[in-house]
Formats: sequence, structure tokens, C-alpha cells
Amino acid sequence: LAKTTQPISMDSYEGQEVNITCSHNNIATNDYITWYQQFPSQGPRFIIQGYKTKVTNEVASLFIPADRKSSTLSLPRVSLSDTAVYYCLVGALNTGGFKTIFGAGTRLFVKA
Amino acid sequence: SAVISQKPSRDICQRGTSLTIQCQVDSQVTMMFWYRQQPGQSLTLIATANQGSEATYESGFVIDKFPISRPNLTFSTLTVSNMSPEDSSIYLCSVEDFWGQETQYFGPGTRLLVL
Repeated sequence: LAKTTQPISMDSYEGQEVNITCSHNNIATNDYITWYQQFPSQGPRFIIQGYKTKVTNEVASLFIPADRKSSTLSLPRVSLSDTAVYYCLVGALNTGGFKTIFGAGTRLFVKA
Repeated sequence: SAVISQKPSRDICQRGTSLTIQCQVDSQVTMMFWYRQQPGQSLTLIATANQGSEATYESGFVIDKFPISRPNLTFSTLTVSNMSPEDSSIYLCSVEDFWGQETQYFGPGTRLLVL
């Protein structure tokens, strides 16, 4: 299983773009990169997933370089409500031996 | 996305007792997962529960302590047995995305305090 490494915490201000980078040097060929968001007293919520290059949805973008050894979650124009813990996960679901390993996550604090 | 509910949402229990946590999904899913999240910490996978087979436990977790049932494709239970204060944690269930994406959806969690 590919281990992930993220910054422990980040601070930002409302309206700024936030980029959170995750390292996953041992990513396997079949692995996808998935990001989750977790608010206090809630379960993690899926944000975005990608395999390579760039993926964008209504809440975030995910940038994955060609070697796939890292990925960057980009949150455009954050607001106070984006204060949460963000987890980067690497793995494949339907392989029979699926396991999801959550790393420590990145605590994002958005200030007014 | 799947809608997942858990019961109870929280409980306070005495040491030595057991608590069964229920997880209900609004659609049929093959794989369900149980996690533990201790205060201020990340999530740790306890076991994977597939319908019709024994649960698969991760290192450090055993069936006698955390028995799991999976009677059908929409329901699972996790029992925390012979509880001690160290079992105080949030317990979450999750399910695979059933549209084939490599992701999971999580329930709201059960907050357990053992005195």
C-alpha cells in the first residue's frame, strides 16, 4: 500500500486559493488518488479523485504529475466553511484486497 | 451517492459492557467497512465486511473484541465487546461507491465514551 505524506496543517484567508500537496512515492499502477474532507463530528466526504493529469469538479481541482508520485488538491477561493481536515488516499477499490489507509491528513484553517 | 445512517449516534457506556453499532445503507452494496477514529486522530480501518462471508480484520483488531455481522446488502453491525476507556472513540461505517468509482461514502459516525 502506498503511504501518503501531507503537511500537518495549513492556514489561509477567505478568498485565497489553497493548494495542498500529497506525496505518494510508492503508488502502484492500479492506484487512484482520492481526497476526502472531514468536518468535526462528521464522517469524511469525498471531494475528488484522479488517476493522472488534471481533474476538476465543482469544488476542487486535482493535479497529478506524470510520475504520479505526488498530487495537489487545489481549492479555489476558500471560505470559512472550508476549514476542515483534508485526507489524501491512494488505493484501488475493486482488487479483492482493497484497503483504505488514511494518513494523518492536513488541517486547513481558513481565517476571515 | 449513498445515504448511510448509524445508530446510536452517541453513547456513554460502562467498562466491561458491550455496545452494538448499526449501519444502514439506502441501497445494496457489496463491501462495507468499519473504521475507528480516536479524538483528534485519523481514521483506522477495523475490518471489511462482505455479505455472505466472514469479516476481514486488520492488524490489531480481532473478532472477539469487534464482532461484525453482515446479514444483507444494506446492513451491518459492529459490536465493541468488553469495553474499556481505551475504546472511547468515534466508530464509522462506510460503503463502496456502487457506480464503480474507486471511492467510499461514510456514515456520520457513532461517538462512544466508556467510563
